Formats: sequence, structure tokens, C-alpha cells
Amino acid sequence: NAGVTQTPKFQVLKTGQSMTLQCAQDMNHNSMYWYRQDPGMGLRLIYYSASEGTTDKGEVPNGYNVSRLNKREFSLRLESAAPSQTSVYFCASSVDRGSGETQYFGPGTRLLVL
Amino acid sequence: GDSVTQMEGPVTLSEEAFLTINCTYTATGYPSLFWYVQYPGEGLQLLLKATKADDKGSNKGFEATYRKETTSFHLEKGSVQVSDSAVYFCALSLGSGTYKYIFGTGTRLKVLA
Repeated sequence: NAGVTQTPKFQVLKTGQSMTLQCAQDMNHNSMYWYRQDPGMGLRLIYYSASEGTTDKGEVPNGYNVSRLNKREFSLRLESAAPSQTSVYFCASSVDRGSGETQYFGPGTRLLVL
Repeated sequence: GDSVTQMEGPVTLSEEAFLTINCTYTATGYPSLFWYVQYPGEGLQLLLKATKADDKGSNKGFEATYRKETTSFHLEKGSVQVSDSAVYFCALSLGSGTYKYIFGTGTRLKVLA
């Protein structure tokens, strides 16, 4: 049981390049999330997917797109990377979206945009 | 709006010292409250939670009580260990209508032997 896995672990991009961050969970969870973590700002929600086939914007969605490929996989795409997107990105999942649900986090992807 | 405020770090303690990390929240409705811990190079993991007022969450010697009257959820441990060195995040979540899961900025704890 791997929990939540993310690839890649580390990536360097040039401004304007695109990339997709991959996330998968094997816990049969319905809801999945993408966060970014920046120093002094905690975690901020980028997008989430309450259930397979649905996605919604979070607090900081600009510059990102997501795809809920199936129940297991939720990817985050940067179409044209900018230095402001340098951050650590975490994927998480939970059984459902309701209040009180624990979120389970992946190990993170460290992204540097030059 | 809804928010979580936790004490600034870093907090540096000697082994076996008493730990308190303050967390207060602002929320419409009745949130659930959480403490997550992040060890170096890893993702966050749940430490404890409480889903209604006066509930006490506890795990690995850590405790926090959901205080609605003071809108607080302070984390405490009676005797810290070097292995407790990590970043601690307070968080709240709100209902399934307008979904919110809000994290504080994190408090770094360093425990010295």
C-alpha cells in the first residue's frame, strides 16, 4: 500500500516551458487535491476534485490546469511556467470532501522555474 | 474570511521540555480542526484532530482541545523528544457546501538533546 505517490520529485524548468505533475493514490479515495507550499505562507489549495469526473478551483488556480484521469490519478499541468510558480507542490487525497476528513499527502514535487 | 493563525517559529526547546504551539481560527459555521506534522523532506501527515467543540484530540503524547469560546486549538506535549523536531501545521475544514480546507503558516520546532 503506497498511499499517495507523486512524480517527479524534483524538476527544473525554464520560463515558458510546460510540464505535468503526476499524482496517484491507491486508497480508493474519492477526493483529491493539489497544494503549493511557499515559505511563510503555509499550504494553499490550487485545485481539487471532489469525485471522479469533477474538478474545482481552489485559492490560487491561475496558471494551472488539472485532470482527474480516473479515480486513482489527478494531474496538475503548468502550460507556460513562470518564476512565481517556483514552489513545492503536494498532492493529497481524502475519503470524501466533507468536514472532518483527514487528508493524506504525497511526498511532494520541488519545482524550480528559472 | 475564514483563517487560521498560529504562532511564529522557530521554537527551540531542550529535550523533555513542555511544548505549547498556539493556534486560533476564524470561521463561519462549525469547522473541524486538525494538527498536521511535516518531517524534513516529507509530506504532511495527520497528528490529531477534533470535529466538535470540547473534543480533545491526542496522539503520540500530543494533545489539543477544541475551544469554541476562545476559537483556539493549541497543541501541547508534556515532554518533547529530539524526534519531535518538525514543522507543525494547524488547519481547519468546513462543510461540504462551500468546501474549505485552510492551513496555518506552520511552526518549526527544534528539540535539542
